[in-house]
Amino acid sequence: KAGVTQTPRYLIKTRGQQVTLSCSPISGHRSVSWYQQTPGQGLQFLFEYFSETQRNKGNFPGRFSGRQFSNSRSEMNVSTLELGDSALYLCASSPGQTTNEKLFFGSGTQLSVL
Amino acid sequence: AQSVTQPDIHITVSEGASLELRCNYSYGATPYLFWYVQSPGQGLQLLLKYFSGDTLVQGIKGFEAEFKRSQSSFNLRKPSVHWSDAAEYFCAVADNTNAGKSTFGDGTTLTVKP
Repeated sequence: KAGVTQTPRYLIKTRGQQVTLSCSPISGHRSVSWYQQTPGQGLQFLFEYFSETQRNKGNFPGRFSGRQFSNSRSEMNVSTLELGDSALYLCASSPGQTTNEKLFFGSGTQLSVL
Repeated sequence: AQSVTQPDIHITVSEGASLELRCNYSYGATPYLFWYVQSPGQGLQLLLKYFSGDTLVQGIKGFEAEFKRSQSSFNLRKPSVHWSDAAEYFCAVADNTNAGKSTFGDGTTLTVKP
């Protein structure tokens, strides 16, 4: 089974631009979660989608948004980029059926905002 | 709100020595606890998890962890460290409604001396 795939692997953007990151979960997984990882703030939960619906949301501004498609693939979008948005963005998938499932993480998208 | 504290930012051990990484959590109910490992530039891989039952859980790569409710701790141990164990380790507690929404500690970086 293929693992969680995130594209692109690296991105460089400038302030004010917007960016879209993609995540393909493990086949059969219906839950996709997004996390932001920075040296200063660590790993922070962004949001989680299950069957095309946002099921949970972290404490991030509205510039951060996401969606999930019928094939469970997910995208997250960040508009009006700020320098502080530079981070490793990690996607994780799970079956989404129970609370005791482990998360399978992708290798992440490293976003640099200049 | 749930929280996770990893008191040690950086630990250095010699190859072959034993290892213990500390994790303390704050959670109102019975926690769902995880330990993940992250190699540089990569996503997170699950080492082990605890939901209920035996408080000593075994994981992959020879790791184990012990859940101590009285101390709100879930420390990770390994009897003999290998050079390939050098990585960053994260303790996490999952939201009791959804494993996709997890709260992570700030991580402990492990360096292994030859």
